[in-house]
Amino acid sequence: DSGVTQTPKHLITATGQRVTLRCSPRSGDLSVYWYQQSLDQGLQFLIQYYNGEERAKGNILERFSAQQFPDLHSELNLSSLELGDSALYFCASATYAGGPDTQYFGPGTRLTVL
Amino acid sequence: AQKVTQAQTEISVVEKEDVTLDCVYETRDTTYYLFWYKQPPSGELVFLIRRNSFDEQNEISGRYSWNFQKSTSSFNFTITASQVVDSAVYFCALRPWGGSEKLVFGKGTKLTVNP
Repeated sequence: DSGVTQTPKHLITATGQRVTLRCSPRSGDLSVYWYQQSLDQGLQFLIQYYNGEERAKGNILERFSAQQFPDLHSELNLSSLELGDSALYFCASATYAGGPDTQYFGPGTRLTVL
Repeated sequence: AQKVTQAQTEISVVEKEDVTLDCVYETRDTTYYLFWYKQPPSGELVFLIRRNSFDEQNEISGRYSWNFQKSTSSFNFTITASQVVDSAVYFCALRPWGGSEKLVFGKGTKLTVNP
């Protein structure tokens, strides 16, 4: 158990809908990262937050957004869902930003768009 | 740009065999970090090891060992006396020091250990 929690574990929805994925980092970790794992793209970095502020952006679609709240939990919002958004979404956390910090991953949320 | 190549897509071995998973990386940074993660069938990503670019000492942890060679940009992972529980997808990842802290992952190697 990495100490990172993600809810829900599974999510099934229809095209055009909007969903919210939630992540709670390890106790004491200030950085939260979101990754998408799909069969064709592999593991891709989406976005990073550090202590409530956006710190880095990767291959995140405009239909996707995220935020980190004062209690350091983070939410990833996916809207106007398409079939291709079906994937495993991981949250990871690290103590700080930068340096040698290891990112510890949560169990993931499996999103299925029908 | 950073890139990680895991040329072995799938490997199948019989229990107790030794197996080496290859990882080759590309980066222009002089300081960087390399990682291995394990993804068992249950789906979570489990951290195995982190290696700093300025530390080329090989590491052994039980049946696991890692061989980091900066000269060939490789960070290979060996499992000695493999067990069925080692069956998983293994990912090698790279992260540069500073700048974007994202992990750049390889495509992964699926290891199947048969009894």
